[in-house]
Amino acid sequence: IAGITQAPTSQILAAGRRMTLRCTQDMRHNAMYWYRQDLGLGLRLIHYSNTAGTTGKGEVPDGYSVSRANTDDFPLTLASAVPSQTSVYFCASSDSGGVVNEQFFGPGTRLTVL
Amino acid sequence: QKEVEQDPGPLSVPEGAIVSLNCTYSNSAFQYFMWYRQYSRKGPELLMYTYSSGNKEDGRFTAQVDKSSKYISLFIRDSQPSDSATYLCAMSDLYNFNKFYFGSGTKLNVKP
Repeated sequence: IAGITQAPTSQILAAGRRMTLRCTQDMRHNAMYWYRQDLGLGLRLIHYSNTAGTTGKGEVPDGYSVSRANTDDFPLTLASAVPSQTSVYFCASSDSGGVVNEQFFGPGTRLTVL
Repeated sequence: QKEVEQDPGPLSVPEGAIVSLNCTYSNSAFQYFMWYRQYSRKGPELLMYTYSSGNKEDGRFTAQVDKSSKYISLFIRDSQPSDSATYLCAMSDLYNFNKFYFGSGTKLNVKP
């Protein structure tokens, strides 16, 4: 593993189903983030975690939950998917102890909810 | 009003042209300003960052921040077809530096 990996790459999901998007980083970064990217709206923060064991809500948290049991993994769960959650989801991580808080992004998960 | 505004384009220029990409913002507390480049179907990657006001140059790229006007720019000199991508500005303040506010991105196409 190098950097951030996300799984699955893409998924088509029926409305009402539960789905977990996986994110793993091997850079030992303490902070991790979930964004969704929609045309014309840019990247919007869903949830974040400053360190293992803590999480916080971003700009658009409703319908999503996260957990941070360890440093490397930050899964995003949609408890009951709705069509408005159709989007491209990006996981990111950063070392908030660094001089520049560069966020490194994964390759994304394309989710379609029908 | 969105925290960060960015013209979505698309912007189409011939190879070798100078490109100017811009963002405006409303929060005067923003201190960190970043430009990310995103190729099609890929995640964004950091291109440049600046702290507070001023200019920063890196090769063919120059980032400029005017805090008095709440306006940031990215200039690309001698643009190349490989520069074709979506460019997103991002910014954060000093105390919540983990929380980035992104522009919606400008799609750039450099024609050979």
